Amino acid sequence: DIQMTQSPSSVSASVGDRVTITCRASQGISTWLAWYQQKPGKAPKVLIYTASSLQSGVPSRFSGSGSGTDFTLTISSLQPEDFATYYCQQTNSFPLTFGGGTKVDIK
Amino acid sequence: EVQLVESGGGLVQPGRSLRLSCVASGFTFDDYAMHWVRQAPGKGLEWVSSISWNSGSIGYADSVKGRFTISRDNAKNSLYLQMNSLRAEDTALYYCAKGRGGSSTSSLVYWGQGTRVTVSS
Repeated sequence: DIQMTQSPSSVSASVGDRVTITCRASQGISTWLAWYQQKPGKAPKVLIYTASSLQSGVPSRFSGSGSGTDFTLTISSLQPEDFATYYCQQTNSFPLTFGGGTKVDIK
Repeated sequence: EVQLVESGGGLVQPGRSLRLSCVASGFTFDDYAMHWVRQAPGKGLEWVSSISWNSGSIGYADSVKGRFTISRDNAKNSLYLQMNSLRAEDTALYYCAKGRGGSSTSSLVYWGQGTRVTVSS
């Protein structure tokens, strides 16, 4: 099974900050990686698919990069509505594992 | 507008069974893979199972393999999860999600609001 390791597990940031979250796969997954945002009490929402493709309707301040085993989600200028938990997921092969999540909260 | 409505959750004793359903609307159901993902209280997301558009490819998490069965009825725009031999660790909010494409390994584009399963005596 492919293990997905996210870091950090939490980050405190201020509005306007640049925030970077990393996700590492235990083996190569090409660009078969998605990023999701989840707010408390809500269903997750996809932000990025195939590592760097922005889902329609998602603000351009979100971007994804990487291939192989190392991936990054970047929020270029954090907005109040971005405080949430973020998850990566590999879609290369079964089981489709998620990372442990990164909580972004207010500094 | 894509809508996914889960049902069938509830309180069940360990060892018993439960069948979850997800009714889809707003898209051509039989073109897309579908997924089940769960989230235990206060925990992260855990992928449970996926099924391709034609049921030709199915996958399960190791934690549910042999106990859970995913299926779909394209004529009814419905996805199912038959859960047998339930354990306390299966307690979670279960989400139904639509895949990006027909492949069972597609990313998850739209999510329902979830149905809660509690396994307890």
